[in-house]
Amino acid sequence: DAGVIQSPRHEVTEMGQEVTLRCKPISGHDYLFWYRQTMMRGLELLIYFNNNVPIDDSGMPEDRFSAKMPNASFSTLKIQPSEPRDSAVYFCASSFTVTSETQYFGPGTRLLVL
Amino acid sequence: SQQGEEDPQALSIQEGENATMNCSYKTSINNLQWYRQNSGRGLVHLILIRSNKREKHSGRLRVTLDTSKKSSSLLITASRAADTASYFCATDGSDRGSTLGRLYFGRGTQLTVWP
Repeated sequence: DAGVIQSPRHEVTEMGQEVTLRCKPISGHDYLFWYRQTMMRGLELLIYFNNNVPIDDSGMPEDRFSAKMPNASFSTLKIQPSEPRDSAVYFCASSFTVTSETQYFGPGTRLLVL
Repeated sequence: SQQGEEDPQALSIQEGENATMNCSYKTSINNLQWYRQNSGRGLVHLILIRSNKREKHSGRLRVTLDTSKKSSSLLITASRAADTASYFCATDGSDRGSTLGRLYFGRGTQLTVWP
């Protein structure tokens, strides 16, 4: 079975450019999470969805970040405009249940903003 | 913060030795999980222990949970070089109904196992 799929795996862009990260959760999973990981701040939850509806976006750093989940099999995280401090590894994860059971992580997108 | 906190931040041992990592958390929980992250990869679930259990085993892994002290430990026995990774604990924070569905991760313990 395919796990969580993220694209691109690596992204290098210049400050001010728009960046779009994509995620395909595991089929049937009803929760989707976007995380950011840096050495300084560790693993941060940015936003998560339940049945395609955003539940908690309090971790989104600022208005430059937005996330959508138009259907159960696809989500995007967009940064516009990007800044060097956005450089990090962004993970998407999904889980299946109404309680906080196991989360399955994608391989991550390594973003470098120059 | 509701995050779990792992201790130590880094651990370096020889192959064959046991590795013990600890986690402390602040809120009531339904369960506690441990995840592993190899360098450059996503986190992978290792083991889940429910709040009404005190100990759980899975292969070379042994997890203990003390809800009175709000702490857990992960023991890896007979470690191997391939166990080198970061290990994270995660809790669900059961007393925060508005955050149903999310996990709270610690900063992780970096384990290095030397051959």
